[in-house]
Amino acid sequence: ELKVEQNPLFLSMQEGKNYTIYCNYSTTSDRLYWYRQDPGKSLESLFVLLSNGAVKQEGRLMASLDTKARLSTLHITAAVHDLSATYFCAVRARNRDDKIIFGKGTRLHILP
Amino acid sequence: DGGITQSPKYLFRKEGQNVTLSCEQNLNHDAMYWYRQDPGQGLRLIYYSQIVNDFQKGDIAEGYSVSREKKESFPLTVTSAQKNPTAFYLCASRWLEKLFFGSGTQLSVL
Repeated sequence: ELKVEQNPLFLSMQEGKNYTIYCNYSTTSDRLYWYRQDPGKSLESLFVLLSNGAVKQEGRLMASLDTKARLSTLHITAAVHDLSATYFCAVRARNRDDKIIFGKGTRLHILP
Repeated sequence: DGGITQSPKYLFRKEGQNVTLSCEQNLNHDAMYWYRQDPGQGLRLIYYSQIVNDFQKGDIAEGYSVSREKKESFPLTVTSAQKNPTAFYLCASRWLEKLFFGSGTQLSVL
């Protein structure tokens, strides 16, 4: 059974600091996604990672995937208040099944 | 405009009542999904469909039912068997490796 775990679940940090969110998953996969959700809103796609060693960057966010460790990270560089949101990782298992399972999310609060 | 439309935005259910949440997409995507979101629980998969006239249970399918009679439509019925239906429900469709989400339906119990 595919399980996805994120940590931390809540993160409060100062502007200008760096931090990393971790996403572990339980079965073989090379398809991992990161999403952002603002309060009361739907989800916005941030990154799609499709191979071992994949790294993608957009502004102050960088995501990476290690399929051997079954681990993805979302790194925040020099955080700014606008990045306050909940971040989810999601995994699609490597088989013909279309099931996509989400982690519980990391609620990020960036203090000015 | 292309996209996914969920309706209604807010829905109230009386005890013992079945209610249906609508999800329509004009993106011509084959795969569609229903997720339930509770505070602190993330998104949990209810049902998903890879193609018309076919669907599979997700992790929390009990108390819910779906149909997929048309490619563009994937309605979710919350039945009276679902004893704790209050949640935010999100529908999505998938093209290649990207999920496109609707704006969600907040379901509450009267």
